[in-house]
Amino acid sequence: GAVVSQHPSRVICKSGTSVKIECRSLDFQATTMFWYRQFPKQSLMLMATSNEGSKATYEQGVEKDKFLINHASLTLSTLTVTSAHPEDSSFYICSARGRTGNNQPQHFGDGTRLSIL
Amino acid sequence: DAKTTQPNSMESNEEEPVHLPCNHSTISGTDYIHWYRQLPSQGPEYVIHGLTSNVNNRMASLAIAEDRKSSTLILHRATLRDAAVYYCILCNAGGTSYGKLTFGQGTILTVHP
Repeated sequence: GAVVSQHPSRVICKSGTSVKIECRSLDFQATTMFWYRQFPKQSLMLMATSNEGSKATYEQGVEKDKFLINHASLTLSTLTVTSAHPEDSSFYICSARGRTGNNQPQHFGDGTRLSIL
Repeated sequence: DAKTTQPNSMESNEEEPVHLPCNHSTISGTDYIHWYRQLPSQGPEYVIHGLTSNVNNRMASLAIAEDRKSSTLILHRATLRDAAVYYCILCNAGGTSYGKLTFGQGTILTVHP
């Protein structure tokens, strides 16, 4: 089946640090990738949608200058949390979908747990 | 976005079938019904999806009501590894939504040995 790899799985860093998270589709070309955030005991919240070669579309309330998304190739998208602060601590999850259509399933990475001290 | 309603939690015994209901009375004609599940500290896993007809795959079956206002995810024989949060989500492939998924609270399935 479709495999999405997310790296790193866990990050602990000091306040003010910028953190980059990678999301790779290993065995298919991901024309669209999604980034989610999940706080403890809550559901996933979509942050942004990115199509390969285009600027990401951010959900309402998500700061695009804070969460930089790059989707430069069909197999890689990155999320950079700039100048991270303790309130940015969360579980960040990416997903990817191939060319076959918008109704097709998304395939998720295993998430990155970000802890800002 | 069209909403779905699921029970907060359900319980089952191992080896028994599980029927997870989902109501989506405001579903539109172009909404697909997707099911995902999430184990603790992991990303969600795709389970199954359908539009109008019932669907079967190696993981589960999806039964869709004739009026499409509800659906049921069926796990034929629950195992301990099926314990997870199950999300029923409507996915609209049209327009500028890019088929994005809006996760609700889902159903927490507990499987007893």
